[in-house]
Amino acid sequence: DQQVKQNSPSLSVQEGRISILNCDYTNSMFDYFLWYKKYPAEGPTFLISISSIKDKNEDGRFTVFLNKSAKHLSLHIVPSQPGDSAVYFCAANTGGFKTIFGAGTRLFVKA
Amino acid sequence: DTGVSQDPRHKITKRGQNVTFRCDPISEHNRLYWYRQTLGQGPEFLTYFQNEAQLEKSRLLSDRFSAERPKGSFSTLEIQRTEQGDSAMYLCASSSGTATEAFFGQGTRLTVV
Repeated sequence: DQQVKQNSPSLSVQEGRISILNCDYTNSMFDYFLWYKKYPAEGPTFLISISSIKDKNEDGRFTVFLNKSAKHLSLHIVPSQPGDSAVYFCAANTGGFKTIFGAGTRLFVKA
Repeated sequence: DTGVSQDPRHKITKRGQNVTFRCDPISEHNRLYWYRQTLGQGPEFLTYFQNEAQLEKSRLLSDRFSAERPKGSFSTLEIQRTEQGDSAMYLCASSSGTATEAFFGQGTRLTVV
């Protein structure tokens, strides 16, 4: 039962362009959504989050958009930098603290 | 404080042996989580503690798995009678207050041979 789905295993983007990572979910009870970034040999690092009562949250180069009716969220990175190359996990929880993660999308930013 | 610390970083064990992992969370964090991650997948929730109380356990946590956080500080995860399917990265994370985001350790990679 995969409640959080990231259907693109990988994404390749040119430096300076926009990266868009997508995520779909099935559980309408989720009320908080998060993105984590993971470099090799490190644990995931929190990047940005959004509450279900909002449709957009921005932090510097990172913006998360939430479309509740479509049960879809996306992470936009602009401009993309080579240091952004990592695996990005979409995650969600129901306000408790059990967080469900997607399988991740590996982002390659080419210089 | 240098963040969430896990020990050991790597563990190779023979099938049927017991293993124990340790996690030291960020000192002021009252919540502690264990996750398991296999290749190509995201972290899967195993269990979480608020202080010393284990508040939720996943169905993934079979009776061979046990976790403790005796004094509300560090935690241990024990796997008894290990099986090859237990081979994975075991991640610990911690958080505090009302924050739903967590800080992860570097993980313990378990290989069962």
